[in-house]
Amino acid sequence: DAKTTQPPSMDCAEGRAANLPCNHSTISGNEYVYWYRQIHSQGPQYIIHGLKNNETNEMASLIITEDRKSSTLILPHATLRDTAVYYCIVRATNNNDMRFGAGTRLTVKP
Amino acid sequence: EPEVTQTPSHQVTQMGQEVILRCVPISNHLYFYWYRQILGQKVEFLVSFYNNEISEKSEIFDDQFSVERPDGSNFTLKIRSTKLEDSAMYFCASSPGGETQYFGPGTRLLVL
Repeated sequence: DAKTTQPPSMDCAEGRAANLPCNHSTISGNEYVYWYRQIHSQGPQYIIHGLKNNETNEMASLIITEDRKSSTLILPHATLRDTAVYYCIVRATNNNDMRFGAGTRLTVKP
Repeated sequence: EPEVTQTPSHQVTQMGQEVILRCVPISNHLYFYWYRQILGQKVEFLVSFYNNEISEKSEIFDDQFSVERPDGSNFTLKIRSTKLEDSAMYFCASSPGGETQYFGPGTRLLVL
């Protein structure tokens, strides 16, 4: 039973911001929103996570709505190397596993 | 920046053979995990390991699978008698305190 819903695919022009949405309407109060990405068949790469405040790091920004039922991952200036499958995962920190869904396949085009 | 490493990168084996996949987690991390990804499918959780014992395992992780931390640095996944359906990418991950997990590059296992 999926806890997140993401569009299966998106395109973005190189140099533009990529905004990847995620719905998690059944999120619990102790669950964080995590974002990972997987480039081709490489290992999943951690991007960012947050609980309720917006977060920013060197890779991306995470915007979480006030009701926490959805979030958006923002890659401010997408490059061709950002082409990957992006996974949004909700998880309480005391849970052991990361539950990967199908994710969003982002294609950055020149 | 420290990384999780895995060996070998590729492994080909005959059905029924035993394989051991090796991982070196990030130093000072305390939680260790194995995941697998069958070609074209989702990344699936197999097992988590903490304090020298399995803390959680999925239904995939049956008696054919075992994990071990033999020497305080390596973390291994053993498949006793491989089946064709064990062909997949196997990812190791580690976490400092059980929150963010950092994944290795994976081992591609092909069972013939």
